[in-house]
Amino acid sequence: DVKVTQSSRYLVKRTGEKVFLECVQDMDHENMFWYRQDPGLGLRLIYFSYDVKMKEKGDIPEGYSVSREKKERFSLILESASTNQTSMYLCASSPRPGQRNSPLHFGNGTRLTVT
Amino acid sequence: RKEVEQDPGPFNVPEGATVAFNCTYSNSASQSFFWYRQDCRKEPKLLMSVYSSGNEDGRFTAQLNRASQYISLLIRDSKLSDSATYLCVGYSSASKIIFGSGTRLSIRP
Repeated sequence: DVKVTQSSRYLVKRTGEKVFLECVQDMDHENMFWYRQDPGLGLRLIYFSYDVKMKEKGDIPEGYSVSREKKERFSLILESASTNQTSMYLCASSPRPGQRNSPLHFGNGTRLTVT
Repeated sequence: RKEVEQDPGPFNVPEGATVAFNCTYSNSASQSFFWYRQDCRKEPKLLMSVYSSGNEDGRFTAQLNRASQYISLLIRDSKLSDSATYLCVGYSSASKIIFGSGTRLSIRP
């Protein structure tokens, strides 16, 4: 069974802090994703990575950066946290999204509050 | 217009009822579709893939209509445990995975 692990379930940070959200998958998946989910807005893609050291911006990359130094790990970085980044952050992985049997597998989410 | 649209609900149906959701998509390049289930404050979990030929998994049936650009999910003999938000997802490429906003389903005893 695919396991996607996010390092923290809940985080509370102050405005201006640098925040790291870590995600690890154990299935040797090529593709990894970071989403945020807000009420009424659904899931929005922040960044994704299709290979080590490769990254592509999603729909809402502003205020975020990512790092993928190893295949199994994809980190989301909030350079200077702001209150409008309070959200549920979901990491996902997939071997080859877009193929019939390659859906996204999600971690259990990090609920981040920026005060 | 959103690329993937769902009726947000909530659908409130009695236990044992049959309930159906539709999801429309606007990008004809979308290749693959899935239904996910999301419980309150939890992550989305894959429910089933959606094939043009239709597919069934127990009480759940998913269908894709490419001509009319919609996908559907049918739940028969609904259980209390089916209460959740159901998300439809369309893929056209790695960078084009579009989630609907979800349909809330509440099953009452």
